[in-house]
Amino acid sequence: DADVTQTPRNRITKTGKRIMLECSQTKGHDRMYWYRQDPGLGLQLIYYSFDVKDINKGEISDGYSVSRQAQAKFSLSLESAIPNQTALYFCATSDRPGQGVNEQFFGPGTRLTVL
Amino acid sequence: GEDVEQSLFLSVREGDSSVINCTYTDSSSTYLYWYKQEPGAGLQLLTYIFSNMDMKQDQRLTVLLNKKDKHLSLRIADTQTGDSAIYFCAYDVRGADKLIFGTGTRLQVFP
Repeated sequence: DADVTQTPRNRITKTGKRIMLECSQTKGHDRMYWYRQDPGLGLQLIYYSFDVKDINKGEISDGYSVSRQAQAKFSLSLESAIPNQTALYFCATSDRPGQGVNEQFFGPGTRLTVL
Repeated sequence: GEDVEQSLFLSVREGDSSVINCTYTDSSSTYLYWYKQEPGAGLQLLTYIFSNMDMKQDQRLTVLLNKKDKHLSLRIADTQTGDSAIYFCAYDVRGADKLIFGTGTRLQVFP
């Protein structure tokens, strides 16, 4: 079984709809991240969380919100989807003791299309 | 700033060497990374280099770091079709415990 899972894998929705993307992990990691990937722009950080009570905005948080329901679950919401939020969304986790290597483990991605 | 720049595409013949380049602006990072994204999948850590090193070799992979010029490169020797993927460089943001990723380079290997 995959360590980091995302649901749904694909979603097509209309402008103005509320959308939730979910991420679950079995790695036992404290840190979880949401990114979006756009061609030519690479990965951009939306939100990240170090534990259930610690949520931080990334570079492009406008239009998004998150919820860390448990150590293993981190969901991303688009309250009112717009077409320029069409992208590939990735969840990632990491466990970084001290100042060691920050290896992040990625889910398979959710392809979201907003019409 | 937190910009990380890479060229978008690289095409090489199977068996040749590939060199993927990256320039970055933040000089305070502790580690710099190369991640690989295969088609239809998420990213996976390929290799990394500590910021006090200037070279790291790992089998077919060689990472070169020029801190003065803020330039990172990844050389893949004897490139194979299985190396076809998107390669992202990334660095730590010191004190923030997050990574900043580059724009990604799509490597295409042809026979």
